[in-house]
Amino acid sequence: KAGVTQTPRYLIKTRGQQVTLSCSPISGHRSVSWYQQTPGQGLQFLFEYFSETQRNKGNFPGRFSGRQFSNSRSEMNVSTLELGDSALYLCASSLAAGVTDTQYFGPGTRLTVL
Amino acid sequence: QKEVEQNSGPLSVPEGAIASLNCTYSDRGSQSFFWYRQYSGKSPELIMSIYSNGDKEDGRFTAQLNKASQYVSLLIRDSQPSDSATYLCAVNMDSNYQLIWGAGTKLIIKP
Repeated sequence: KAGVTQTPRYLIKTRGQQVTLSCSPISGHRSVSWYQQTPGQGLQFLFEYFSETQRNKGNFPGRFSGRQFSNSRSEMNVSTLELGDSALYLCASSLAAGVTDTQYFGPGTRLTVL
Repeated sequence: QKEVEQNSGPLSVPEGAIASLNCTYSDRGSQSFFWYRQYSGKSPELIMSIYSNGDKEDGRFTAQLNKASQYVSLLIRDSQPSDSATYLCAVNMDSNYQLIWGAGTKLIIKP
């Protein structure tokens, strides 16, 4: 079974631009969570989607948004990029809703904001 | 503020010894606890989950949970150089099932 895939793997953007990241979960998984990982802050929860509905949202500004499609694929959008948005963005999929189920992480998208 | 704390390390352990990784959490009502391993440049992968007080063993790995003292630990027996990685502790602290993550402990196994 194919794992979680994320595209693109690397992105370089400038301040003020916007970016869209994509995540395809493991086949059959309906829950997708997004995380931001930085050396200083560790893993920070962004949001979780299940059956096209956002179930949870972390403490991030409204510039960070996401959605999930009927095939469970998910996208994350960051508008008006800031230097501090440079990070590794990870998505994780699980069979059921809620993070008590095992989460399987994708390889991540490395975003650099110049 | 809900927090999960880990010693950032690095924790250096000789090959063949027991590596002990610790994690404390702030919310006494926490129910689910997870240990993930992350190799440099890779994404996290689940090693163990534990939900009840006591020990849970899986091969060379043992997770220990003490809810009264609000800590969870991971023991790695017969440590191997391939165990060198950052170990992340994650705790489910509220009914919204949001995981709170520790910053991770970097473990180095010396041959």
